[in-house]
Amino acid sequence: GIQVEQSPPDLILQEGANSTLRCNFSDSVNNLQWFHQNPWGQLINLFYIPSGTKQNGRLSATTVATERYSLLYISSSQTTDSGVYFCAADSNFGNEKLTFGTGTRLTIIP
Amino acid sequence: DTEVTQTPKHLVMGMTNKKSLKCEQHMGHRAMYWYKQKAKKPPELMFVYSYEKLSINESVPSRFSPECPNSSLLNLHLHALQPEDSALYLCASSTVRPGANVLTFGAGSRLTVL
Repeated sequence: GIQVEQSPPDLILQEGANSTLRCNFSDSVNNLQWFHQNPWGQLINLFYIPSGTKQNGRLSATTVATERYSLLYISSSQTTDSGVYFCAADSNFGNEKLTFGTGTRLTIIP
Repeated sequence: DTEVTQTPKHLVMGMTNKKSLKCEQHMGHRAMYWYKQKAKKPPELMFVYSYEKLSINESVPSRFSPECPNSSLLNLHLHALQPEDSALYLCASSTVRPGANVLTFGAGSRLTVL
């Protein structure tokens, strides 16, 4: 199956800083999503982005499918951005089987 | 508030108990999922139901028994669990759109097996 790796594994930033999280995947994808898991365990879907660029407020994401990576940008970080960020991918069209990456734990310090 | 509701939020059970986790959604989604997440690890897929039929079973032990009684409900029946089954169990739902099934997760049920 597809392998999904994320970097860095941990990131500690001051409030107001910008950050870039990376997701590498081992195969071409038809489905790629970014999630934020808050400290209480709730997973929130941030982006569905198998290719191209999307923006939502302070967050944006870019997937370069031909080079098998995706980036999540967080600008002007706030303490509520803390948590674990996962990307998840699927390479089999028609198969509802998202594989989650290893995650990036982001800590924003006031 | 999440649109996928999971109950209970916390469950403690002994190895001989029988319990169930419940998941409900009213978004009209026809695919529903169970994921298991151990501490500091990513979620791992257990089961997928598509149009109320089991479409994916990721070789999960038979002590976990899923059930999808209708398009809005998903249950996970637990029996004779082991302490290593303690984890956060996450339910999710999505539309059935090949290559575009965007998952909405519930808040999870945190299970402790004694």
